Amino acid sequence: AQKVTQAQTEISVVEKEDVTLDCVYETRDTTYYLFWYKQPPSGELVFLIRRNSFDEQNEISGRYSWNFQKSTSSFNFTITASQVVDSAVYFCALSPAYNQGGKLIFGQGTELSVKP
Amino acid sequence: GAGVSQSPRYKVAKRGQDVALRCDPISGHVSLFWYQQALGQGPEFLTYFQNEAQLDKSGLPSDRFFAERPEGSVSTLKIQRTQQEDSAVYLCASSLRLVEQAPSGGYTFGSGTRLTVV
Repeated sequence: AQKVTQAQTEISVVEKEDVTLDCVYETRDTTYYLFWYKQPPSGELVFLIRRNSFDEQNEISGRYSWNFQKSTSSFNFTITASQVVDSAVYFCALSPAYNQGGKLIFGQGTELSVKP
Repeated sequence: GAGVSQSPRYKVAKRGQDVALRCDPISGHVSLFWYQQALGQGPEFLTYFQNEAQLDKSGLPSDRFFAERPEGSVSTLKIQRTQQEDSAVYLCASSLRLVEQAPSGGYTFGSGTRLTVV
């Protein structure tokens, strides 16, 4: 079975704090893709990153960084120096690589609230 | 258009009523997905189109749900005889290519249609 678990339902931080959102996944596939999406109050899902299972390099994009550890089946997301505009629900997702059209299996989401 | 457009933005239906939800993907996008997002939950896959072909409908919860994309662009998700458990946000996403072929792999999502069945 394939599953994504985001154990943190809600996180509240004060602006400029660093925050890490956890994501643990389960899959029997050897090749797969992992994603993070942001869902602001407007409702649309905004793509943040995709990682391939065969590439365990961590990635940094501005204040955002991602730590992919295949050994622990985790793909955690860190926001450095958080800002109020980062407040949103964040979803981690898994996509099997075999050709199912790349459908996404989402976690339940972590609601991040950044207070001024 | 610049993004994925969904209409209507909000829909209230009486139980037993049929509804049709529309998705206008980004022009030229090959792949189109429908997801259902219940309140406080992550989106759940419903169905996938590659151009006009519906390649995966394994996520449709019952035979009351039907989706089509006859010309490979606009898609309609139809729900017959709506039930209260159908209340959710229905999200549409499109992608230029299959995820394995896309440089970034990300999908573009619309803002969704919030369906409330009363």
